[in-house]
Amino acid sequence: GQQLNQSPQSMFIQEGEDVSMNCTSSSIFNTWLWYKQDPGEGPVLLIALYKAGELTSNGRLTAQFGITRKDSFLNISASIPSDVGIYFCAGQPVNTDKLIFGTGTRLQVFP
Amino acid sequence: GAGVSQSPSNKVTEKGKDVELRCDPISGHTALYWYRQRLGQGLEFLIYFQGNSAPDKSGLPSDRFSAERTGESVSTLTIQRTQQEDSAVYLCASSSTGGWHHTDTQYFGPGTRLTVL
Repeated sequence: GQQLNQSPQSMFIQEGEDVSMNCTSSSIFNTWLWYKQDPGEGPVLLIALYKAGELTSNGRLTAQFGITRKDSFLNISASIPSDVGIYFCAGQPVNTDKLIFGTGTRLQVFP
Repeated sequence: GAGVSQSPSNKVTEKGKDVELRCDPISGHTALYWYRQRLGQGLEFLIYFQGNSAPDKSGLPSDRFSAERTGESVSTLTIQRTQQEDSAVYLCASSSTGGWHHTDTQYFGPGTRLTVL
């Protein structure tokens, strides 16, 4: 099935560093969502974005809906060990009610 | 329980056998989704149930895959004549939406890890 381009695939960072990841699409999206998945668990919604240009924060997490409506980024500031996991973007293309998921960014945080 | 539950958590089967995966959504949630997650990949939409409406089966990869839901409760995903390519984690999610909005918050279960030998 169709998937979004998400990068980077993996990140290995030191505790306290900031993290940035992004997703791009070849088509326009109405909605962007960011999820986190811990090992052996289902994804959990972190942030939802509904308007182009929208910038939303959730604690140390900040995400933006790109102006072109074809991209979104997620930033994590001052990373901590519990940030470890796989982060997925998901988007709703125009004229569909489906969600398309990115391939994930695997984050590893070292103390 | 408070969240979405799935069973079994792990299933190992031989190629050619049928398997049934179960999902118990959050009580009162009208919408239920099934996704497939291959190793190192994102989630692939399989099927969507919304109340008593006809399910959206557009994501099912072949006629070996089918799913049922009784009212607004339990759902089962059945894979017939399993193939090695069916090996994946199968995730179920539910949401309280009253409309066809996949972007309404979906609460995911822990998944069933299927291994086809």
